Amino acid sequence: GENVEQHPSTLSVQEGDSAVIKCTYSDSASNYFPWYKQELGKRPQLIIDIRSNVGEKKDQRIAVTLNKTAKHFSLHITETQPEDSAVYFCAASRAGGFKTIFGAGTRLFVKA
Amino acid sequence: DTAVSQTPKYLVTQMGNDKSIKCEQNLGHDTMYWYKQDSKKFLKIMFSYNNKELIINETVPNRFSPKSPDKAHLNLHINSLELGDSAVYFCASSQTGSGRYQETQYFGPGTRLLVL
Repeated sequence: GENVEQHPSTLSVQEGDSAVIKCTYSDSASNYFPWYKQELGKRPQLIIDIRSNVGEKKDQRIAVTLNKTAKHFSLHITETQPEDSAVYFCAASRAGGFKTIFGAGTRLFVKA
Repeated sequence: DTAVSQTPKYLVTQMGNDKSIKCEQNLGHDTMYWYKQDSKKFLKIMFSYNNKELIINETVPNRFSPKSPDKAHLNLHINSLELGDSAVYFCASSQTGSGRYQETQYFGPGTRLLVL
């Protein structure tokens, strides 16, 4: 069945460093890849997404890259800040599928 | 101006009881979902509804019965609650894209269910 693998499960960085989270998807028909941030006790919220017609997208300190051939996509956070500490989920979906498959999540700690 | 809302926020109950969680969205979306998030934070889809019709049922026990009275509401009724049902349940909604891509999902605040 469809699967999204996410690594690492935990990531600890120093404030100001970069953080990279990687995901691999199994369904080759997937064409939409959102990233969600979930702070403690809160709901998951979209921070950035990418569609299969582009290879990279950037929004201030956050960027996402997509390699369709390898079925990999990654989240890059630069100049990390303590408020970036949260659980990050990658996800993959296809048009008309009404189903989004989530990765297992990465717990990011940014140490001040 | 809440986009996706859920009630109740917390639910503590005994094993064997029946309980319901309600979800409403005011975004005008036509697709709604229920997710279960366990203690390890894994987000697992349970159901998705499009225009009040059940589209996805991810091998959820029959004790879980969703109901969508209209496009803006998706409720979840759980019979004979078990200890393993303890989790956070999130409702979400999205708009079916007219193009090739699924659209972004917006999540409700979650319902924290604890079965004793």
